[in-house]
Amino acid sequence: DTGVSQDPRHKITKRGQNVTFRCDPISEHNRLYWYRQTLGQGPEFLTYFQNEAQLEKSRLLSDRFSAERPKGSFSTLEIQRTEQGDSAMYLCASSLTDRASNYGYTFGSGTRLTVV
Amino acid sequence: AQKITQTQPGMFVQEKEAVTLDCTYDTSDPSYGLFWYKQPSSGEMIFLIYQGSYDQQNATEGRYSLNFQKARKSANLVISASQLGDSAMYFCAMREGRGGATNKLIFGTGTLLAVQP
Repeated sequence: DTGVSQDPRHKITKRGQNVTFRCDPISEHNRLYWYRQTLGQGPEFLTYFQNEAQLEKSRLLSDRFSAERPKGSFSTLEIQRTEQGDSAMYLCASSLTDRASNYGYTFGSGTRLTVV
Repeated sequence: AQKITQTQPGMFVQEKEAVTLDCTYDTSDPSYGLFWYKQPSSGEMIFLIYQGSYDQQNATEGRYSLNFQKARKSANLVISASQLGDSAMYFCAMREGRGGATNKLIFGTGTLLAVQP
């Protein structure tokens, strides 16, 4: 098991463009989470999936953001019409429901987005 | 509302010495979990240690220990025998509930630790 993988590691885009990030969780993990981390801050929760169902979304997740996990495996996070304020590190994490209470999540290395 | 507070933006420690990173939390839920993560410059969040609200003893994991003072709502991380590789950002986080329906973590703003040779 190679852990949680995120692709790409870095993305530079022009304001107004759409971007899509991918997260591959640990294969047996049924929960998948997206977080956003801006400079000097801790990660902020965006959304999470249990299997393919999106069970919770933060108010931080505006209409320009959409996340999917179509087959309960990998997930994508799309940002439409990017703005400079979207520049951040986007972290993905996964967990097993019954282990989350003790071990939290396994995080990926993140995708760093820069909107110019 | 649940909240995590880390009041130390940055800390210096000499190699081989111990260091304490402070964390206080606020929650009205009697069941919660407290976590510490390490984030090196590569960006990955590395799990260090966990303390459940009902755990009777302070958690320990190798050189990491958690000084859990429930009445004061504090969960300080103690790193013993600091190593140069410990230089990183450290985040305290809290999860309310027993890991069931609500599973998201709330993070503090972090403490940047620099270990000096």
